[in-house]
Amino acid sequence: KQEVTQIPAALSVPEGENLVLNCSFTDSAIYNLQWFRQDPGKGLTSLLLIQSSQREQTSGRLNASLDKSSGRSTLYIAASQPGDSATYLCAVGDNYQLIWGAGTKLIIKP
Amino acid sequence: DAGVIQSPRHEVTEMGQEVTLRCKPISGHNSLFWYRQTMMRGLELLIYFNNNVPIDDSGMPEDRFSAKMPNASFSTLKIQPSEPRDSAVYFCASSAMMNTEAFFGQGTRLTVV
Repeated sequence: KQEVTQIPAALSVPEGENLVLNCSFTDSAIYNLQWFRQDPGKGLTSLLLIQSSQREQTSGRLNASLDKSSGRSTLYIAASQPGDSATYLCAVGDNYQLIWGAGTKLIIKP
Repeated sequence: DAGVIQSPRHEVTEMGQEVTLRCKPISGHNSLFWYRQTMMRGLELLIYFNNNVPIDDSGMPEDRFSAKMPNASFSTLKIQPSEPRDSAVYFCASSAMMNTEAFFGQGTRLTVV
């Protein structure tokens, strides 16, 4: 059974720093991996989707990598801003299902 | 496109009442999902539709929950009768096809008192 883990559960960094969020999964037979952000009381916003055949995807200041063999994905955020404060969730595509991590709550201090 | 649209955004109802949540997926998407999010259990898949047909409803908690997708542009999730433990945020999501990027609505925050 696929299990997805995100560590740490919470992270607080000063504005301007580059940071990395981690996601690990137990079964390397995945279709894709998707990163989302969730603001308090709001919906989930898709950030990046990496297909199983890809190694990384980039969007603006965000870069997501995927290493299936080690069961890991990272989300790199460059030059962090207070507006990046949110909970970041990774989800592994297992056929039609998304298997979710518990999320990392990120706080960017001005 | 306006994205996935859910209504209502907030719903407060009394125990025993019927609750209907609505979802309009992104036009052209053939996969639709209903999720429930709680602090204790995180995000749980309730039901998955493909081309308006329910493919997997194993996540539907009980017979009190039912979902329909009468056409490609509309789906409902109904709870009858509602109970306090049904209080959660319910999300609808759609994707162009299976195993592609999923887009979520803003959710419906349900409170059953």
